[in-house]
This record gives sequence, C-alpha cells and structure tokens, in this order.
Amino acid sequence: ELKVEQNPLFLSMQEGKNYTIYCNYSTTSDRLYWYRQDPGKSLESLFVLLSNGAVKQEGRLMASLDTKARLSTLHITAAVHDLSATYFCAVDGSGGSQGNLIFGKGTKLSVKP
Amino acid sequence: DTGVSQNPRHKITKRGQNVTFRCDPISEHNRLYWYRQTLGQGPEFLTYFQNEAQLEKSRLLSDRFSAERPKGSFSTLEIQRTEQGDSAMYLCASSLGQVSYEQYFGPGTRLTVT
Repeated sequence: ELKVEQNPLFLSMQEGKNYTIYCNYSTTSDRLYWYRQDPGKSLESLFVLLSNGAVKQEGRLMASLDTKARLSTLHITAAVHDLSATYFCAVDGSGGSQGNLIFGKGTKLSVKP
Repeated sequence: DTGVSQNPRHKITKRGQNVTFRCDPISEHNRLYWYRQTLGQGPEFLTYFQNEAQLEKSRLLSDRFSAERPKGSFSTLEIQRTEQGDSAMYLCASSLGQVSYEQYFGPGTRLTVT
C-alpha cells in the first residue's frame, strides 16, 4: 500500500526564519504535488514536480524532488505570517495513470511575529 | 469565475437520509475526481471519471455511495442512508488528464450527519 508521510506535522516558526518540510513516499512515483490549504478552505495547487531533480520556486517557497530517495522537500525562506496554512504533499497512486492522488497528513504551519 | 464549483457548500442531514452533491469541473477538463477529507487529515480518494466513464473507485466507496458523470460534464455524488461517519468535507477536483497532471480543487461540500 502506497504511503505518504510528512514531517513535521506541526510547525511553529518565527517570521524571518527558514525551515524545511519533508515528504517521504513508499513507492516509485515520478510526480509529486504540493498543495496549500487555509482553514475551512479548499486546496490550492502550489507545485507539480514531474521528474527526478525537479526544483520549483514561487516567492518564499521552493520545492524539490528526489525520486531515487522517494523524498520531496518544501523549503520556506524568511517566513511571513501569510504563509500560515496547512501544506500537503501528494503522489499519484495509480502507477502514473493520473488517477487518484495519495495525500500525506499535512503539515500545519504557524508563523508568528 | 471559471474554477471548479460545488453545490451545496454545506449540508446538514439526519442519519438515514440520502444526500446528493454536485460538482461542475473546469469546462475543458475531461477528468473529474472525488475526495473526502476529515478533520486533521489529508484528502482521501473516492473515485474518478474520464469523460463519462468511471475509471477507478476506492474501497472507501461503499455500496451506499454512487457517483455519476452523465455526458462527461458535471458529476453527482450520492450517499444513501447516511451515517454519522460520513460527516466530512467532500472535495471535487478536475484536470486535463494527459495534457496536464495538475488537479484543481473546488471549494468542497461540508456534510454534517446528525
């Protein structure tokens, strides 16, 4: 059974600090997705990583993928309060047929002044 | 707004009643997905369609659940004889399929079974 594990599950940061969220998954997948969810809201797509070594950056967030290690990271640079949200990683559970996504439990990020 | 839309946004029902949710995907997207999310958890896959064909169903989708996508446009998810354990957020997503792997999510329907 494909499993996706994120850590940490909870993260309290001070503004201006850097931190990394880790996402490990248990089977081969060439695609990994990062989503953001604000309380009571739906999921917003942040990054789609399509191959080994892929790196994408948007503002203070940078995501990378190592398919050999089955690991993706989401790095936060100089955090600001607006980044407070829950971040999910997900992998394709259908062997590449773009069916279901398998999500991690999410990392709840709180950025404090 | 050309994003994924879902109706209703909230539904409160009594145990044993039937409920139906609707999802309208982004117009050119041929794939449509249903997920369920409970508090503090990530979304869990229920089923997906390519055009009008239902291609995959999760074991979470008991025989009380049925989904349709007539004509390959909007989709409905029906839950019969609701149970308190069905209380969750039901999320719909759509994608272009082989053209793009990215799934775009709707705002969700929050179901409360009393």
